[in-house]
Amino acid sequence: EAAVTQSPRNKVTVTGGNVTLSCRQTNSHNYMYWYRQDTGHGLRLIHYSYGAGNLQIGDVPDGYKATRTTQEDFFLLLELASPSQTSLYFCASSDASQNTLYFGAGTRLSVL
Amino acid sequence: QQKVQQSPESLIVPEGGMASLNCTSSDRNVDYFWWYRQHSGKSPKMLMSIFSNGEKEEGRFTVHLNKASLHTSLHIRDSQPSDSALYLCAASDSNNRIFFGDGTQLVVKP
Repeated sequence: EAAVTQSPRNKVTVTGGNVTLSCRQTNSHNYMYWYRQDTGHGLRLIHYSYGAGNLQIGDVPDGYKATRTTQEDFFLLLELASPSQTSLYFCASSDASQNTLYFGAGTRLSVL
Repeated sequence: QQKVQQSPESLIVPEGGMASLNCTSSDRNVDYFWWYRQHSGKSPKMLMSIFSNGEKEEGRFTVHLNKASLHTSLHIRDSQPSDSALYLCAASDSNNRIFFGDGTQLVVKP
């Protein structure tokens, strides 16, 4: 089974704080994605990437930056966190055929 | 506006019954569809994919796709309590973005 590891698993910060969520995949996949999931809802695409150094904008990018430093590592940055960004964040990876998304275990972020 | 719409929002079926879930995209650029299942407190896992018109069956699960109407459906026969989960429909567009609907919460009652 493909491996996607997210860290931290839980994070609490204050309004205006600086947060970095990390994601590493060891599947040699080209594509990596960041989604957020709010209670009772599906996944909303924040940013995604085709490969190292590439960044594409998703559906809900406002307030988020992302950086793909290597094939394996994809980071999501919240530079001025707001309470509206309290959510469960999932990272996922897939190969070039995009047949299957493999998800990490998620990071639960609370912005107080 | 959400690109993928799912119905119903929630569904209760008796054990052994048939569950039918629907998904439609409002984006004509959408080309591929997937169904993911997410058990409570877990991450989503791909259940089935369908890329061309017609039907695909895997065990108790059957998916249909009508590309002209951008509609897909998932049918679960002989539903089990372990099938209770959030079922998410996903679609990709020509820019390789993968979008999800809000899901159907399925409860299978013993």
